[in-house]
Amino acid sequence: DVKVTQSSRYLVKRTGEKVFLECVQDMDHENMFWYRQDPGLGLRLIYFSYDVKMKEKGDIPEGYSVSREKKERFSLILESASTNQTSMYLCASSSGLAGLQYFGAGTRLSVL
Amino acid sequence: QKEVEQDPGPLSVPEGAIVSLNCTYSNSAFQYFMWYRQYSRKGPELLMYTYSSGNKEDGRFTAQVDKSSKYISLFIRDSQPSDSATYLCAMNSGGYQKVTFGTGTKLQVIP
Repeated sequence: DVKVTQSSRYLVKRTGEKVFLECVQDMDHENMFWYRQDPGLGLRLIYFSYDVKMKEKGDIPEGYSVSREKKERFSLILESASTNQTSMYLCASSSGLAGLQYFGAGTRLSVL
Repeated sequence: QKEVEQDPGPLSVPEGAIVSLNCTYSNSAFQYFMWYRQYSRKGPELLMYTYSSGNKEDGRFTAQVDKSSKYISLFIRDSQPSDSATYLCAMNSGGYQKVTFGTGTKLQVIP
């Protein structure tokens, strides 16, 4: 079974803090993704990566950055957290032509 | 117009009912069609996927794709309270392109 592990289930941070969300997958997948999920808005793609040290902007990259130093690990960074970044963050990985994505359990982030 | 449209529900059905969940899409390049199930406060899990048009069955679940109408469906037979979740459709054109997700339909199966 594919396993995608997100480092925290719940996080509470203060406005202006730098926040790191970590994601690790154990299936040697090339592709990794970060989404945020908000009620009524569905999944929105923040950043994705097709290879180590590669990154591509998704639909809503503003206020976020990413790092992929190793194939199995993809980190999402909130440079200066703001209250409008309170959300559920989901990491996913995929491989192959069909692009089937496998998700982690999610991190529910609250920025106060 | 969104690329993928999905009725948000909620959809409430009695236990044992047949459930039909649907999505429409506009991009004729989509070739791979997926259904995800997401329980409250959890990540989405891949239920089924199909390539191009046709049906695929897995236990109580049947996925159907009609590319001529740009319409996909997920049928759940003999629905159970444990099927209560949000169901997301997803699709892509292959070739390592991004996946486009519907916003999800919330299903509640009443015992």
